[in-house]
This record gives sequence, structure tokens and C-alpha cells, in this order.
Amino acid sequence: GESVGLHLPTLSVQEGDNSIINCAYSNSASDYFIWYKQESGKGPQFIIDIRSNMDKRQGQRVTVLLNKTVKHLSLQIAATQPGDSAVYFCAENPNDSSYKLIFGSGTRLLVRP
Amino acid sequence: GAGVSQSPSNKVTEKGKDVELRCDPISGHTALYWYRQSLGQGLEFLIYFQGNSAPDKSGLPSDRFSAERTGGSVSTLTIQRTQQEDSAVYLCASSSGGKETQYFGPGTRLLVL
Repeated sequence: GESVGLHLPTLSVQEGDNSIINCAYSNSASDYFIWYKQESGKGPQFIIDIRSNMDKRQGQRVTVLLNKTVKHLSLQIAATQPGDSAVYFCAENPNDSSYKLIFGSGTRLLVRP
Repeated sequence: GAGVSQSPSNKVTEKGKDVELRCDPISGHTALYWYRQSLGQGLEFLIYFQGNSAPDKSGLPSDRFSAERTGGSVSTLTIQRTQQEDSAVYLCASSSGGKETQYFGPGTRLLVL
């Protein structure tokens, strides 16, 4: 079946450095992508989304890049802070009649002080 | 404003018992989703409600699982004759419509002994 996956299960960065979390998706028909942050014991928190008619979108300290040619999605976090430590999930909507999201397995981001 | 709320936050039950999990979506949101998250895993879609349309039940893992949404607002996910493999975090999300941002609740942590 279709799936969304992540290249790195754990990413450790120094506080103040930039972080890049990558995600590969397999459904070329997907037209909507989202990044969520999940802290321990909490539900996923929306970070940023992007639609397939764009290749880049910026938020506060975060940027999402979409490369449809290679079906790759990335989340860049600038000046990573200890509060950014969490598990990050990418998710895609496969552009079918259901609006369900298909989630990747997640990447744990650890920020070293 | 108030986000998505879920109750109970934690539920411990014995194998074979029925459980009911409740979700209160964000006021005015017409779409409601249930997902399941097993330990250390990504989210797995269960069911989707949109307005008065027939729900998309394609993610329900067995006929022991059912859900309803009364009055287009509150939803209840019912698991009959619970099994140990049903142990997981059950997450509810709502959105203002199809392919709009899904906002998640804190989840219900279900443990089947």
C-alpha cells in the first residue's frame, strides 16, 4: 500500500544549530502534506503544511520544502531550541475521496544544550 | 478558544470488556477523525466523519470497532470485547472541512489487561 516514511529515526543537534528532518512519500497523487510535532504524553501539534502547488513554505523558524520530482518532503527548524525536542511526523493526504492522513513512523529530535 | 478534548485521558480495562471513548471537536468543525497510535509508532487512520455524509470506516481494524457522531458534534468510539492488541493511544482530530488542517486532541491511553 501507499506509505510515508522517514529516513532518520533519531536526530541529535546542538542547541542553536539548524535541524533538517526528511520524509519520503510514495503516492505521487498526494496533494497535501503536513508536519506535526508530538511531545511525550500529548497529541500531535500542527507545525506547518504545504500543498502540492508549492515547493516551499515558511513559518516562524520553520520551513517546509516539497520536491515532487523525487517525492521528498523536509522540515527545517532554524536555531533549534530545547523546547523543539519531540517526535516529528510527516503526513500526506492521498487526494482521494477521504481526507484521512497517512503518517510516517516519526523522527525523534534531541536538542543538546 | 477551546481545542479538541477527549475523555477519559486514561482507561484500563480487562480483556473482553467493552470501552467507550469520547471526543469533543473544536466548535464549528464539520470534519472529525479517529486515529490509533501504538507504542512508538505513527498514527493509523480509523474513521472519518464529514457533516451528514456517510462516514469513511475503511480504517477500522475489525467489526469490534465502531464509532458514531451525534448531532454533528461529539463522537464516541466503541471497542467491543477488547483484546490486548487494542492497547494504544486513541487520538481524535477535527478540521473545518476536507483537506483542511486537522487539530488533534490529547488522546485516550487505553490499556487492556
